[in-house]
Amino acid sequence: EAQVTQNPRYLITVTGKKLTVTCSQNMNHEYMSWYRQDPGLGLRQIYYSMNVEVTDKGDVPEGYKVSRKEKRNFPLILESPSPNQTSLYFCASSPGFLINEQFFGPGTRLTVL
Amino acid sequence: AQSVTQLGSHVSVSEGALVLLRCNYSSSVPPYLFWYVQYPNQGLQLLLKYTSAATLVKGINGFEAEFKKSETSFHLTKPSAHMSDAAEYFCAVSDQSAGGFKTIFGAGTRLFVKA
Repeated sequence: EAQVTQNPRYLITVTGKKLTVTCSQNMNHEYMSWYRQDPGLGLRQIYYSMNVEVTDKGDVPEGYKVSRKEKRNFPLILESPSPNQTSLYFCASSPGFLINEQFFGPGTRLTVL
Repeated sequence: AQSVTQLGSHVSVSEGALVLLRCNYSSSVPPYLFWYVQYPNQGLQLLLKYTSAATLVKGINGFEAEFKKSETSFHLTKPSAHMSDAAEYFCAVSDQSAGGFKTIFGAGTRLFVKA
C-alpha cells in the first residue's frame, strides 16, 4: 500500500531533550516536506526537500533540522525542544512540485513540557 | 511571496444545503491551487487541484472549485451537503517565487453539517 508513515504518533517530552520524528514514504517520491499545524494558523511549512541531499527552509524553520540521506526518509530533528514547539506535525511527499498533490502522513502530536 | 486567505474559520450548513468555502490567493505568477480535506484525527487528502487547464475543476465526493483570475479566487462548492462532509478544509498554493519551492496553506475552514 502506498503510504507515508510517521513515528511516533504521540510524544510527550521535556524542554531541551533532543528528539527525532521519523518520516518514510514508499512511493519513490522526490519532494518531501514537514509541516506543523496549529489552531487558527493552518499548516505552516517547516522544511522541504526536492531530492536526496537537497533541503531548504520553509516558513517556520527555527528550532528544527532535517536531513535527506535516502529518498524514502526525511526525519525531523528538534535539537532542544521548547514549549512553543508543541504542535501537530505532518510529513508529506509528492512526485514533484508545482502541479503535484502531496500525500500526507497520519501526523505526530508533540507536547513539550 | 504568495499568500492564501480563507474567509470564515467556521461554516455551518444544513444537510442538503449548498456548501461554499472561500479561498483567495495572492500571486504574481499563474498559481497552482489545491483544496485538501482533513477528517478528525487524520492527515490531509486531496479534494481537487487547479493546474491551468480547465477553470472549473471537479474533485472527489461531489466537490468542485472554480478558478477566477480576475477575482484571485478559488472557492470550493458542493451542491448538497452530507453529514460525512463535516471536516476541516484547506486551500493551498504552490509558491515558486523567491527561488524556493514552498507550499502555502490557508488557515483552514471547519465545516459543520447539521441534520
